[in-house]
Amino acid sequence: GQQLNQSPQSMFIQEGEDVSMNCTSSSIFNTWLWYKQDPGEGPVLLIALYKAGELTSNGRLTAQFGITRKDSFLNISASIPSDVGIYFCAGQRVSGNTPLVFGKGTRLSVIA
Amino acid sequence: DADVTQTPRNRITKTGKRIMLECSQTKGHDRMYWYRQDPGLGLRLIYYSFDVKDINKGEISDGYSVSRQAQAKFSLSLESAIPNQTALYFCATSETGYTEAFFGQGTRLTVV
Repeated sequence: GQQLNQSPQSMFIQEGEDVSMNCTSSSIFNTWLWYKQDPGEGPVLLIALYKAGELTSNGRLTAQFGITRKDSFLNISASIPSDVGIYFCAGQRVSGNTPLVFGKGTRLSVIA
Repeated sequence: DADVTQTPRNRITKTGKRIMLECSQTKGHDRMYWYRQDPGLGLRLIYYSFDVKDINKGEISDGYSVSRQAQAKFSLSLESAIPNQTALYFCATSETGYTEAFFGQGTRLTVV
């Protein structure tokens, strides 16, 4: 079964607020990815993390690869209405030879 | 044009019917995947293929089969559709040696 625990399942926030979500596993992962899915579309890659402790930003998004290699965090600063969607974490356990495992997603709603 | 194209985008079929979902890609990637998305369950892997002669079962392969007709084409079949196969289906690709997966726009399948 799925090996990634993603939380929270859903969030309702006011426009302008910051958002945090995380993903944890009982297993070690070599790579962590964060995707966003807009309504009616396929997931789109936001950020990729390759080293424990790595902190990477993409505009208002910042993600971190946990030092234990068993977790990752995504933060969104100053949320805007277009941030609405489902955010998925994904991980790969052995570099190159296994498919990604996905979390169950965090559904983000932004109230203007 | 999309790099990963799925057809059809929407399909309604009757219980017991055979149905095929098709995926084609212009990214030149060797690896292709089929995922299923259900509300609250995230993305679950059905089958994957690392090259034309390679087919592997994923987490939830029962009731499905696949065919890798060429590097660019990977189709998913439901031999005898049942209502609990109603879901959103995604095809994805990745390049050998790289973790990032790229998704199509999805096929919404309803089995009545």
